[in-house]
Amino acid sequence: EAQVTQNPRYLITVTGKKLTVTCSQNMNHEYMSWYRQDPGLGLRQIYYSMNVEVTDKGDVPEGYKVSRKEKRNFPLILESPSPNQTSLYFCASSPDRGRAGYTFGSGTRLTVV
Amino acid sequence: AQSVTQPDIHITVSEGASLELRCNYSYGATPYLFWYVQSPGQGLQLLLKYFSGDTLVQGIKGFEAEFKRSQSSFNLRKPSVHWSDAAEYFCVLPQGNQFYFGTGTSLTVIP
Repeated sequence: EAQVTQNPRYLITVTGKKLTVTCSQNMNHEYMSWYRQDPGLGLRQIYYSMNVEVTDKGDVPEGYKVSRKEKRNFPLILESPSPNQTSLYFCASSPDRGRAGYTFGSGTRLTVV
Repeated sequence: AQSVTQPDIHITVSEGASLELRCNYSYGATPYLFWYVQSPGQGLQLLLKYFSGDTLVQGIKGFEAEFKRSQSSFNLRKPSVHWSDAAEYFCVLPQGNQFYFGTGTSLTVIP
């Protein structure tokens, strides 16, 4: 089944403790992206990647890092999480920069205390 | 600057009634436009998309949307709502390397 898999689904962590949210897609998509969803703000793009080793900032990149060492994987790294990064995170992939639409993962609910 | 506006934060309809969710966009040229649905606790699913050509677009689950350039709108419609349609709906404008999401409209369906 074609899908985007995120892990974990739920995570509670403490301020400053580094964490990684994994994202993997099995559709050979070149384009991948991370979003955060907050009430009243819709989804905002954090980072995106157009291909292996090619990443760029979205609208809200502060406090996040990404890497794209393999085509299928696009992990989101929070080096020093803070409470304002408490949010619902989505990974998505597309074959063509989103013009054909994205396939989204099921989301990761992150709480930073 | 390009943007997408969904004027209605929350809409309540009775099951079996018709539905229209509003979306207005701001973009200089003919845009690509999508509607996505997010069911409770789920990821986002593509309902339909507009690229060019026919201004009335058919999607999944009985939804359709009409692109109106004169009104800068791309409203989502369904003739008869089912209880399972209760969800959050997002209008999306893909531009360059980014996807611009509206803030979403939450739909409640009353039995």
